[in-house]
Amino acid sequence: ILNVEQSPQSLHVQEGDSTNFTCSFPSSNFYALHWYRWETAKSPEALFVMTLNGDEKKKGRISATLNTKEGYSYLYIKGSQPEDSATYLCAFMNYGGSQGNLIFGKGTKLSVKP
Amino acid sequence: GAVVSQHPSWVICKSGTSVKIECRSLDFQATTMFWYRQFPKQSLMLMATSNEGSKATYEQGVEKDKFLINHASLTLSTLTVTSAHPEDSSFYICSAGAAGRSPLHFGNGTRLTVT
Repeated sequence: ILNVEQSPQSLHVQEGDSTNFTCSFPSSNFYALHWYRWETAKSPEALFVMTLNGDEKKKGRISATLNTKEGYSYLYIKGSQPEDSATYLCAFMNYGGSQGNLIFGKGTKLSVKP
Repeated sequence: GAVVSQHPSWVICKSGTSVKIECRSLDFQATTMFWYRQFPKQSLMLMATSNEGSKATYEQGVEKDKFLINHASLTLSTLTVTSAHPEDSSFYICSAGAAGRSPLHFGNGTRLTVT
């Protein structure tokens, strides 16, 4: 059974703090790793799709790295703002997985206090 | 762009009744849509892949006769929970996109409560 673990489950930081969280996934047959931001009462929004070992992607204050050999990805938020408060989901897909069958983690819930 | 609308946002129904959830791609055509379910404190789990003009593909353990999926057009997929029971109470969310190495575009989800 393929499993995706995210840590921590939840995180409370002050505005201006930088933070990071982890997504662990099976290291064999890697195909793609997705990151989504999910704000309450909204739809999950795609942040990154990562495919190559060593990939680093950036979108504003948010960046992500990927290590497919050891099976982990880090998401970093620099200078957190209250609007960054959301649940951050990662999802993994391996070769041979059926289309759309991304295996999701349970998410990391980030709360940023002003 | 790439907006997916899901309706209703929440629904309460009595045990034994059927509930239909709609998922629409508003500004693009989606030959494939995906239906996920999330139980409290659990991760999103794929239930089925909805294919325009053909039968849906269900994941192992998902009853196709209970969760009827229709994808009659390139912009609309529907999920009908038939003869709903309290254990079907969950959060259902649809998405569209090629997945794999392309991002998915999600609806807002539907909170179903069966009393």
